[in-house]
Amino acid sequence: GAVVSQHPSWVICKSGTSVKIECRSLDFQATTMFWYRQFPKQSLMLMATSNEGSKATYEQGVEKDKFLINHASLTLSTLTVTSAHPEDSSFYICSARGLAGWNEQFFGPGTRLTVL
Amino acid sequence: AQKVTQAQTEISVVEKEDVTLDCVYETRDTTYYLFWYKQPPSGELVFLIRRNSFDEQNEISGRYSWNFQKSTSSFNFTITASQVVDSAVYFCALISPNSGGSYIPTFGRGTSLIVHP
Repeated sequence: GAVVSQHPSWVICKSGTSVKIECRSLDFQATTMFWYRQFPKQSLMLMATSNEGSKATYEQGVEKDKFLINHASLTLSTLTVTSAHPEDSSFYICSARGLAGWNEQFFGPGTRLTVL
Repeated sequence: AQKVTQAQTEISVVEKEDVTLDCVYETRDTTYYLFWYKQPPSGELVFLIRRNSFDEQNEISGRYSWNFQKSTSSFNFTITASQVVDSAVYFCALISPNSGGSYIPTFGRGTSLIVHP
């Protein structure tokens, strides 16, 4: 199957700093990428949907100024957590959908963010 | 609106027991896809199966089997002769084209399976 990578796989940062997480589709062009957040022992919560070259669509309750998403190319989307605080600590997962169709979705391995 | 319900929050079994994880879904669309994913402690989601709404045949893959019943809107997952390595959180998900054209997947809350040796 298609491969999606995330970098970094884990990150620890101080409160107030910004953290950028990359999501790359390695062997296909991702027209749409999704960013999820997962709290311990909970399901995946969709944060935003981004289409290449356009602004991301954020789910209700997700602060767009806090979680900046950029999908500048067909293989790369980035999520920047600005001025991170301990409550932003979570597992962030991206997924990518290619040209093959809306029913195929490939997940990245996730990034564990810990804000001290 | 789409909805996926995994009523079992946590299941605990002893190795070699069979276990079934339930998934009930809601959608107004006639065309949709259902998925099961496994999330081991490492966190990475592992794709297990995709089933389209027009294919109600049950599927078996090794110790895994899936029972798709459109009449009851269920897509249950059975692990036969469970093993400790099966311990993980399992998610059921639904994608249909009704979400304003965005085809946003909907996930169940997940079922945590613990297999004891």
